[in-house]
Amino acid sequence: DIQMTQSPSTLSASIGDRVTITCRASQSISSWLAWYQQKPGKAPKLLIYKASSLESGVPSRFSGSGSETEFTLTISSLQPDDFATYYCQQYNSNSYTFGQGTKLEIK
Amino acid sequence: QVQLQESGPGLVKPSQTLSLTCTVSGVSISSGDYYWSWIRQPPGKGLEWIGFIYYSGSTDYNPSLRSRVTVSLDKSKNQFSLKLNSVTAADTAVYYCARGPSGAVLFDYWGQGTLVPVSS
Repeated sequence: DIQMTQSPSTLSASIGDRVTITCRASQSISSWLAWYQQKPGKAPKLLIYKASSLESGVPSRFSGSGSETEFTLTISSLQPDDFATYYCQQYNSNSYTFGQGTKLEIK
Repeated sequence: QVQLQESGPGLVKPSQTLSLTCTVSGVSISSGDYYWSWIRQPPGKGLEWIGFIYYSGSTDYNPSLRSRVTVSLDKSKNQFSLKLNSVTAADTAVYYCARGPSGAVLFDYWGQGTLVPVSS
């Protein structure tokens, strides 16, 4: 299995901050990485696919980068609606594993 | 618009079979453009992909669950289903159904999720 490790596990930030979340794969996954946002009691929402492609309707303040084993999700200017938990997911190979999540909290 | 809705029993006893159905609207599951997946999330924990089915009936499962999982299609009802047998308390989770583009096992539309406790 490919293991996905996110850092940090928790991130405290303020409105307007630029924040970056990192996701590392235990082996190369090329660019087969997606990012999701999940709010309490809700299903995850797809933000980014193929490491850097923005899903339709997602604000442009979200961006993704990276390849092979190291990836980042950046929010350029935090908005109140962005406080949530973020997950990366590899879809290079079975079993299509997720990272453990990064909780973004209000400072 | 595309919508997915999970349904099934709200409680399952240990050693029994968990059965859930996902009803899809706004798109045909007979379309070759999508995979149809199940994903779960234990309370307070992360996400785990369970398996998917394609319109042709071909499936793929998480190796850690493969021996206990079956995903099937009912094209006449535009539904797909999950069966997980021999459940234990460790299978207690919110179960989501989701859609993804064929050729890429990611998830662009999700159901709202249903909590299935496993308890006697």
